[in-house]
Amino acid sequence: GDSVTQMEGPVTLSEEAFLTINCTYTATGYPSLFWYVQYPGEGLQLLLKATKADDKGSNKGFEATYRKETTSFHLEKGSVQVSDSAVYFCALSPSYRGAQKLVFGQGTRLTINP
Amino acid sequence: EAGVAQSPRYKIIEKRQSVAFWCNPISGHATLYWYQQILGQGPKLLIQFQNNGVVDDSQLPKDRFSAERLKGVDSTLKIQPAKLEDSAVYLCASSLGLVGIYEQYFGPGTRLTVT
Repeated sequence: GDSVTQMEGPVTLSEEAFLTINCTYTATGYPSLFWYVQYPGEGLQLLLKATKADDKGSNKGFEATYRKETTSFHLEKGSVQVSDSAVYFCALSPSYRGAQKLVFGQGTRLTINP
Repeated sequence: EAGVAQSPRYKIIEKRQSVAFWCNPISGHATLYWYQQILGQGPKLLIQFQNNGVVDDSQLPKDRFSAERLKGVDSTLKIQPAKLEDSAVYLCASSLGLVGIYEQYFGPGTRLTVT
């Protein structure tokens, strides 16, 4: 079945460091891919998405490129800030007709130290 | 625009008791979802409604969990009787339609502790 595997956490970085959180998926066809973020004390929020191969999603300095050949959607940011501390979830939406659900990875907790 | 509302925010019950959660989606959103998020894991879909009809309940433990969406707006999720392994955060989400096109908006969740 459809599944998402994320890089094990927690991840701790210093401010202004480069961030990569790995995400790979298993799915039939061409799913849509998402990154959601959960800040402390808040609900899940969509960070970025990509709906077809080679698309790049971007938001708030974060980027992720939909790589069909490696079934990956890694999250990157060039210079992290303390305010980026949160739990990040990679997710997919299956491509088969009528499917509207999200399948999530296990989440990666990111802590940025000043 | 008001977001997805959920209540209660926290609930503590003993095993074998029953509990109900309430969700009010964003106005005009036809699709409503209930997810279960166990500590340290990602959310897992329990049930999905399109208006007041069930689209997907394949992962809902139907022997103890039930859900309804009256008049295609508010929804309730019930657990009866609760087990220790039901301790989790229950998230409600809504969207205008197809998740690949429309964003799915999440509520703050209800944290359930079963003792």
